[in-house]
Amino acid sequence: DVKVTQSSRYLVKRTGEKVFLECVQDMDHENMFWYRQDPGLGLRLIYFSYDVKMKEKGDIPEGYSVSREKKERFSLILESASTNQTSMYLCASRLGGRYNSPLHFGNGTRLTVT
Amino acid sequence: TQLLEQSPQFLSIQEGENLTVYCNSSSVFSSLQWYRQEPGEGPVLLVTVVTGGEVKKLKRLTFQFGDARKDSSLHITAAQPGDTGLYLCADGRHTDKLIFGTGTRLQVFP
Repeated sequence: DVKVTQSSRYLVKRTGEKVFLECVQDMDHENMFWYRQDPGLGLRLIYFSYDVKMKEKGDIPEGYSVSREKKERFSLILESASTNQTSMYLCASRLGGRYNSPLHFGNGTRLTVT
Repeated sequence: TQLLEQSPQFLSIQEGENLTVYCNSSSVFSSLQWYRQEPGEGPVLLVTVVTGGEVKKLKRLTFQFGDARKDSSLHITAAQPGDTGLYLCADGRHTDKLIFGTGTRLQVFP
């Protein structure tokens, strides 16, 4: 089974801090994604990556950046955390170039910014 | 940002009841995936439907894709507490990313 591991289940950070959310997958998937999940808004795509060192903005990239230096690892960076970034963050991976391949999600990181 | 509309937003039922949840879009789906997210976990794929009018069954779950490929439904027969979770539909119109619906949160009481 594919395993997607997010480094933290819960994080509490202060406004203005730089925050790193880490995600690792073990199935050699080309594509990796960061979503945030908020009540009533579903999952919204922040950034995704086709392959190592490649990244594309999703629907809500403002205030975030990403890094993909190795195929298995995709990091989400909040340059200066703000309270409106309090949310559940979900990382996912999938096989690239295959139409309809499923997303495999981690268990999420619940971030609170105070 | 386009979101898929799911209804109802919340559903609370007793064990043994039947239920149907819906996923609608103003645009034609290229394909549709249904995921279930249990509390404290990430979403997990249940099924992918591709062809208009397609029906797929997964034990007590029946998935239907509308003939015009603009809507889909998920019917659960004789719901059980283990069905509790957030049900999400996702549009695969882009080959590299999915657009998710707003979700239906289902609670099944024993």
